[in-house]
Amino acid sequence: EVRLLESGGQVVQPWDSPRLSCAASGFTFTNFLMNWVRLTPGKGLEWVSGISASGTTTYYSDSVKGRFTMSRDNSKSTVSLQMTDLRAEDTAVYYCARGLDNNKWGIFDYWGQGALVTVSS
Amino acid sequence: EIVLTQSPATLSLSPGEGATLSCRASQSVATYLAWYQQKPGQAPRLLIYDASNRPAGVPPRFRGSGSATDFTLTITTVAPEDFAVYYCQHRHSRPYTFGPGTKLEI
Repeated sequence: EVRLLESGGQVVQPWDSPRLSCAASGFTFTNFLMNWVRLTPGKGLEWVSGISASGTTTYYSDSVKGRFTMSRDNSKSTVSLQMTDLRAEDTAVYYCARGLDNNKWGIFDYWGQGALVTVSS
Repeated sequence: EIVLTQSPATLSLSPGEGATLSCRASQSVATYLAWYQQKPGQAPRLLIYDASNRPAGVPPRFRGSGSATDFTLTITTVAPEDFAVYYCQHRHSRPYTFGPGTKLEI
């Protein structure tokens, strides 16, 4: 059974640098690209970032580019999202989502339950 | 950025009826469109990808169609467990964007 478990959600201040993690199990992690997608009350679902199976290629939405960094550790089957320079509009539930395979970017076939990040000064 | 609009915003039906949900893109996305279902407190679930492909485990009552800018998700016979919010999403180019959702309610 495919399982994705996010951790690291918390209430943070704009100058904090929280790190979200996602532990994957139930599939061959190194065969799949991974993504972060967030859900906000105002904007709905928003793709945040994606990373290739090898970890050599990453993509970001313009809204987080330069502030968030996605990485993966294939030895531990985990992906992470390092967040900096936070804004109120970054308040969201952050989902870890698996790609359908390592070739089809932009299809999210399994999702975790989400981690809530609240940005408040 | 490609903008997706969905209609209707809310669809009120009874179990056993058929449902037709629409998604329109601001420019062509070819067939690079997916549909997701989300229930309160749960993660989204992939129903359809690349316009008409159903992943394993998705019931055949969910059917996707369309190309370019106009897409449809059809639920041939709505089951009680289908009442949820449905989102479309394209992968034609980055950023991948989602529509605002259609709420299917009883």
